[in-house]
Order: sequence, then C-alpha cells, then structure tokens
Amino acid sequence: DTGVSQDPRHKITKRGQNVTFRCDPISEHNRLYWYRQTLGQGPEFLTYFQNEAQLEKSRLLSDRFSAERPKGSFSTLEIQRTEQGDSAMYLCASTIASRVPQFFGPGTRLTVL
Amino acid sequence: AQTVTQSQPEMSVQEAETVTLSCTYDTSESDYYLFWYKQPPSRQMILVIRQEAYKQQNATENRFSVNFQKAAKSFSLKISDSQLGDAAMYFCAYQVANAGGTSYGKLTFGQGTILTVHP
Repeated sequence: DTGVSQDPRHKITKRGQNVTFRCDPISEHNRLYWYRQTLGQGPEFLTYFQNEAQLEKSRLLSDRFSAERPKGSFSTLEIQRTEQGDSAMYLCASTIASRVPQFFGPGTRLTVL
Repeated sequence: AQTVTQSQPEMSVQEAETVTLSCTYDTSESDYYLFWYKQPPSRQMILVIRQEAYKQQNATENRFSVNFQKAAKSFSLKISDSQLGDAAMYFCAYQVANAGGTSYGKLTFGQGTILTVHP
C-alpha cells in the first residue's frame, strides 16, 4: 500500500495522559499536514511541514500539542496532559506540491475519558 | 480569513437519480482551488473533484460535475446516476493557490453534508 498511513487507528486514554500519533506520508511527498476533525464537523488545519521544517501552526495548536518531522519523512503529533476536549479524529495529509491535491490518511481517532 | 459554508447538513437521493450539494465560500483571493472530498463512514477522505478558480470551465469527473460561479462565490457538486456507494459525508474545501506566499496550501473545509442514497 503506497498511501498515507497513520498509527494507531484508535486510541483511548485517560485525561491527563500523554499520547503520540504517527503519520507516514506517501514516500516522495515533501509536504505534510495535520488536521483535527471533531464529530460531525469538517477538518480543521493544525500544522504544516515542508520537509523537516514546521512552517505553520494554527492557533488551535495549544502549548500541549507538539509535532515533529525529524527526517522529513514520517511525522509525529504529541498531545500532553490530554483533556476531554481533545477527543477527535486526527488526520494527516501529504502532497508533493501546493498545486497537487492532498492525499489523506485514515486518521487516528482519539477518545479521552 | 477564508470561510466555507455548506448549508445542507443532510441530503438524500434515490439510486440512479441526480442530487446537487451546495457550497459557498468567502475569500479576497483571486487565485485559489476548490475541492469536493468524500468521506465514507469510518473510511478515509478521498478527493472527488477539483476546480481551479482561473478556469471558467466547470470541472467534470465521470458522474461528478461542479457548477462554479466565481462572482457569486458558489461551488456546487452534482452527482448524476447516484449509486449506493456514493453515500458518504461530502466536504467542500478551499485552498489558496499562492505558491510563493505563506498559505502553504492548507485546506479550509465546510461543515459537511451527509448524503444518503436510497435503493
């Protein structure tokens, strides 16, 4: 499978715990995006990487959120001290250029109890 | 700031019939892209169709076509000969096409329209 992959697909955690998600983009894609989608809503932009550089962060990305793409390939999104409001689907998308449509992964569904 | 509005939370259609999903957007940009993405239940988002704002011709992909009205900032999706597999949440999305700017290609999505297809 050469599409965008995300791991885990589902994560249940208790409030206050830290969680980390991984995204593996399509291999030649240098642009990687994270979005958050709450139930019944459209995805909202969180952050963008071009290669290993994080070039944009949404104000939705509080200090408890951090994202990395250390070698310009896979990316991780960590949420520290999770809150119930963090419960959502976290989507990763990648593309090779701004004029090429983004390909989405299956998402990681986070439930914070 | 750019906004995308989908005013139809739910739509339904009979199999083999035609349905139109509505989308309006607000932007001060002149060069941008508009998309329709499909998200089936518990499955990943896939691109249905894309429209480049500088092209006057409406995009078409097989049974899917758009009605792009730039002056009215309207971008509707028409699905012809609806099939059961078309049932999904449909999202309208906007992207600034400024490759040299700071938008970095992020997508702005509408709230979505749930499409039900009845056999």
